[in-house]
Amino acid sequence: DTGVSQNPRHKITKRGQNVTFRCDPISEHNRLYWYRQTLGQGPEFLTYFQNEAQLEKSRLLSDRFSAERPKGSFSTLEIQRTEQGDSAMYLCASSTSLAYEQYFGPGTRLTVT
Amino acid sequence: AQTVTQSQPEMSVQEAETVTLSCTYDTSESDYYLFWYKQPPSRQMILVIRQEAYKQQNATENRFSVNFQKAAKSFSLKISDSQLGDAAMYFCALSGYALNFGKGTSLLVTP
Repeated sequence: DTGVSQNPRHKITKRGQNVTFRCDPISEHNRLYWYRQTLGQGPEFLTYFQNEAQLEKSRLLSDRFSAERPKGSFSTLEIQRTEQGDSAMYLCASSTSLAYEQYFGPGTRLTVT
Repeated sequence: AQTVTQSQPEMSVQEAETVTLSCTYDTSESDYYLFWYKQPPSRQMILVIRQEAYKQQNATENRFSVNFQKAAKSFSLKISDSQLGDAAMYFCALSGYALNFGKGTSLLVTP
Protein backbone atom coordinates (compact mmCIF):
# COMPACT_ATOMS: atom_id res chain seq x y z
CA ASP A 1 0.00 0.00 0.00
CA THR A 2 1.85 3.06 -1.25
CA GLY A 3 -0.85 5.57 -0.34
CA VAL A 4 -2.42 8.26 -2.48
CA SER A 5 0.07 10.22 -4.55
CA GLN A 6 -0.34 13.58 -6.26
CA ASN A 7 1.78 15.37 -8.81
CA PRO A 8 3.05 17.96 -8.97
CA ARG A 9 3.30 18.95 -5.32
CA HIS A 10 3.59 22.60 -6.20
CA LYS A 11 2.57 24.53 -9.29
CA ILE A 12 3.11 28.20 -10.00
CA THR A 13 1.36 29.54 -13.05
CA LYS A 14 0.43 32.82 -14.58
CA ARG A 15 -3.14 33.97 -14.74
CA GLY A 16 -4.85 32.71 -17.87
CA GLN A 17 -2.77 29.56 -18.20
CA ASN A 18 -4.18 26.04 -18.02
CA VAL A 19 -2.97 23.61 -15.37
CA THR A 20 -3.46 19.89 -14.88
CA PHE A 21 -2.93 17.88 -11.71
CA ARG A 22 -2.66 14.14 -11.39
CA CYS A 23 -3.80 11.83 -8.61
CA ASP A 24 -2.95 8.15 -8.20
CA PRO A 25 -5.23 6.49 -5.64
CA ILE A 26 -4.53 3.51 -3.44
CA SER A 27 -4.55 0.62 -5.88
CA GLU A 28 -7.57 -1.31 -4.57
CA HIS A 29 -9.71 1.82 -4.10
CA ASN A 30 -12.39 2.32 -6.73
CA ARG A 31 -13.57 5.73 -5.51
CA LEU A 32 -11.56 8.89 -6.05
CA TYR A 33 -12.38 12.37 -4.78
CA TRP A 34 -11.10 15.86 -5.44
CA TYR A 35 -11.24 18.64 -2.85
CA ARG A 36 -10.00 22.20 -2.69
CA GLN A 37 -8.61 23.69 0.51
CA THR A 38 -7.98 27.39 0.98
CA LEU A 39 -6.05 28.89 3.85
CA GLY A 40 -7.81 28.55 7.17
CA GLN A 41 -10.62 26.41 5.81
CA GLY A 42 -11.51 22.77 5.71
CA PRO A 43 -11.42 20.89 2.42
CA GLU A 44 -14.27 21.66 0.04
CA PHE A 45 -15.59 18.84 -2.14
CA LEU A 46 -15.33 19.27 -5.90
CA THR A 47 -16.10 15.96 -7.61
CA TYR A 48 -15.79 12.21 -7.34
CA PHE A 49 -15.51 9.06 -9.41
CA GLN A 50 -16.47 5.48 -8.92
CA ASN A 51 -14.22 3.55 -11.26
CA GLU A 52 -14.26 5.63 -14.45
CA ALA A 53 -17.73 7.12 -13.89
CA GLN A 54 -17.92 10.68 -12.60
CA LEU A 55 -20.85 10.46 -10.20
CA GLU A 56 -20.97 14.03 -8.99
CA LYS A 57 -19.63 17.12 -10.69
CA SER A 58 -22.11 19.83 -9.83
CA ARG A 59 -19.80 21.09 -7.09
CA LEU A 60 -16.98 21.91 -9.48
CA LEU A 61 -16.40 25.59 -8.99
CA SER A 62 -16.97 26.70 -12.55
CA ASP A 63 -16.92 25.36 -16.09
CA ARG A 64 -13.20 26.08 -16.13
CA PHE A 65 -12.75 23.04 -13.88
CA SER A 66 -12.92 19.52 -15.24
CA ALA A 67 -11.79 16.11 -14.10
CA GLU A 68 -11.27 12.75 -15.73
CA ARG A 69 -10.53 9.21 -14.70
CA PRO A 70 -10.37 7.49 -18.06
CA LYS A 71 -9.37 3.97 -17.04
CA GLY A 72 -10.65 3.95 -13.50
CA SER A 73 -7.16 4.27 -12.08
CA PHE A 74 -5.46 7.67 -11.91
CA SER A 75 -7.37 10.92 -12.29
CA THR A 76 -6.57 14.37 -13.59
CA LEU A 77 -8.03 17.71 -12.57
CA GLU A 78 -7.70 20.52 -15.09
CA ILE A 79 -8.25 24.20 -14.54
CA GLN A 80 -8.48 26.30 -17.66
CA ARG A 81 -7.78 30.02 -17.82
CA THR A 82 -6.58 30.15 -14.23
CA GLU A 83 -7.49 33.09 -12.03
CA GLN A 84 -5.81 34.35 -8.87
CA GLY A 85 -8.77 33.06 -6.88
CA ASP A 86 -7.88 29.53 -7.96
CA SER A 87 -4.80 29.64 -5.73
CA ALA A 88 -5.33 26.89 -3.18
CA MET A 89 -4.34 23.37 -2.16
CA TYR A 90 -6.00 20.72 -4.31
CA LEU A 91 -6.43 17.45 -2.45
CA CYS A 92 -7.18 14.02 -3.79
CA ALA A 93 -8.58 11.19 -1.70
CA SER A 94 -9.60 7.62 -2.36
CA SER A 95 -11.75 4.98 -0.75
CA THR A 96 -13.45 1.70 -1.45
CA SER A 97 -17.17 1.74 -2.20
CA LEU A 98 -17.76 -0.26 0.97
CA ALA A 99 -16.24 2.22 3.38
CA TYR A 100 -16.88 5.86 4.14
CA GLU A 101 -13.41 6.79 5.29
CA GLN A 102 -11.21 8.45 2.73
CA TYR A 103 -7.44 8.51 2.51
CA PHE A 104 -5.82 11.67 1.34
CA GLY A 105 -2.81 12.47 -0.77
CA PRO A 106 -0.31 15.21 0.05
CA GLY A 107 -2.04 17.72 -2.20
CA THR A 108 -0.96 20.02 -5.02
CA ARG A 109 -0.45 23.62 -4.00
CA LEU A 110 -1.39 25.96 -6.84
CA THR A 111 -0.22 29.56 -6.93
CA VAL A 112 -1.60 31.79 -9.67
CA THR A 113 0.39 34.98 -10.20
CA ALA B 1 -27.93 20.24 3.68
CA GLN B 2 -25.21 18.88 5.89
CA THR B 3 -23.17 21.22 8.04
CA VAL B 4 -20.23 20.76 10.38
CA THR B 5 -19.26 23.39 12.92
CA GLN B 6 -16.04 23.61 14.88
CA SER B 7 -16.33 26.54 17.23
CA GLN B 8 -12.77 26.53 18.55
CA PRO B 9 -10.36 28.03 16.01
CA GLU B 10 -7.40 27.39 18.32
CA MET B 11 -6.71 25.28 21.38
CA SER B 12 -3.61 24.85 23.50
CA VAL B 13 -2.56 21.97 25.74
CA GLN B 14 0.52 21.11 27.73
CA GLU B 15 2.40 17.93 27.06
CA ALA B 16 0.95 14.94 28.92
CA GLU B 17 -2.33 16.76 29.56
CA THR B 18 -5.75 16.07 28.06
CA VAL B 19 -7.60 18.27 25.60
CA THR B 20 -11.06 18.08 24.07
CA LEU B 21 -11.93 19.47 20.65
CA SER B 22 -15.57 20.21 19.92
CA CYS B 23 -17.66 19.55 16.84
CA THR B 24 -21.36 19.86 16.13
CA TYR B 25 -23.08 18.81 12.96
CA ASP B 26 -26.41 18.74 11.24
CA THR B 27 -27.78 16.12 8.90
CA SER B 28 -31.15 14.72 7.96
CA GLU B 29 -29.68 11.26 7.44
CA SER B 30 -30.23 8.55 9.99
CA ASP B 31 -27.18 6.54 9.03
CA TYR B 32 -23.89 8.32 8.66
CA TYR B 33 -20.28 8.33 9.78
CA LEU B 34 -18.24 10.96 11.56
CA PHE B 35 -14.50 11.37 11.40
CA TRP B 36 -11.67 13.33 12.90
CA TYR B 37 -8.76 14.07 10.60
CA LYS B 38 -5.40 15.52 11.57
CA GLN B 39 -3.42 17.80 9.23
CA PRO B 40 0.09 18.62 10.50
CA PRO B 41 1.73 21.74 9.05
CA SER B 42 2.59 21.20 5.38
CA ARG B 43 1.73 17.55 5.65
CA GLN B 44 -1.13 15.45 4.46
CA MET B 45 -4.47 14.76 6.07
CA ILE B 46 -4.45 11.69 8.30
CA LEU B 47 -7.52 9.84 9.55
CA VAL B 48 -7.51 9.82 13.36
CA ILE B 49 -10.74 8.12 14.31
CA ARG B 50 -14.17 7.28 12.97
CA GLN B 51 -17.60 6.76 14.51
CA GLU B 52 -20.58 5.01 12.99
CA ALA B 53 -23.82 6.78 13.91
CA TYR B 54 -25.65 3.53 14.56
CA LYS B 55 -23.15 2.54 17.23
CA GLN B 56 -23.79 3.87 20.71
CA GLN B 57 -20.34 2.95 21.93
CA ASN B 58 -17.83 5.74 21.57
CA ALA B 59 -14.84 4.96 19.36
CA THR B 60 -11.33 4.89 20.78
CA GLU B 61 -7.93 4.66 19.11
CA ASN B 62 -5.07 4.56 21.60
CA ARG B 63 -4.87 8.07 23.11
CA PHE B 64 -7.75 9.36 20.99
CA SER B 65 -11.39 8.92 21.90
CA VAL B 66 -14.66 10.53 20.98
CA ASN B 67 -17.77 11.57 22.83
CA PHE B 68 -20.61 11.00 20.38
CA GLN B 69 -23.97 12.44 21.39
CA LYS B 70 -26.32 11.61 18.54
CA ALA B 71 -29.39 13.43 19.85
CA ALA B 72 -27.37 16.57 20.45
CA LYS B 73 -25.49 16.10 17.15
CA SER B 74 -22.23 16.55 18.96
CA PHE B 75 -18.95 14.75 18.24
CA SER B 76 -15.98 15.80 20.35
CA LEU B 77 -12.43 14.45 20.24
CA LYS B 78 -10.44 13.83 23.39
CA ILE B 79 -6.69 13.54 23.20
CA SER B 80 -5.10 12.07 26.30
CA ASP B 81 -1.44 12.30 27.30
CA SER B 82 -0.84 14.95 24.63
CA GLN B 83 2.44 14.78 22.76
CA LEU B 84 4.34 17.41 20.76
CA GLY B 85 3.56 15.43 17.62
CA ASP B 86 -0.16 15.99 18.18
CA ALA B 87 0.23 19.63 17.17
CA ALA B 88 -1.80 20.06 13.98
CA MET B 89 -5.06 21.24 12.51
CA TYR B 90 -7.88 18.90 13.42
CA PHE B 91 -10.90 18.63 11.18
CA CYS B 92 -14.25 17.10 12.00
CA ALA B 93 -15.96 15.54 8.98
CA LEU B 94 -19.40 14.11 8.24
CA SER B 95 -20.01 11.49 5.59
CA GLY B 96 -22.29 11.93 2.64
CA TYR B 97 -21.27 10.81 -0.83
CA ALA B 98 -18.32 13.05 0.00
CA LEU B 99 -16.96 14.34 3.27
CA ASN B 100 -18.23 17.62 4.70
CA PHE B 101 -15.57 19.27 6.80
CA GLY B 102 -15.60 21.86 9.55
CA LYS B 103 -13.21 24.79 9.46
CA GLY B 104 -10.79 23.07 11.77
CA THR B 105 -9.20 23.62 15.17
CA SER B 106 -5.52 24.44 15.42
CA LEU B 107 -3.99 22.53 18.34
CA LEU B 108 -0.83 23.83 19.93
CA VAL B 109 1.08 21.54 22.29
CA THR B 110 3.46 23.23 24.68
CA PRO B 111 6.33 21.50 26.51
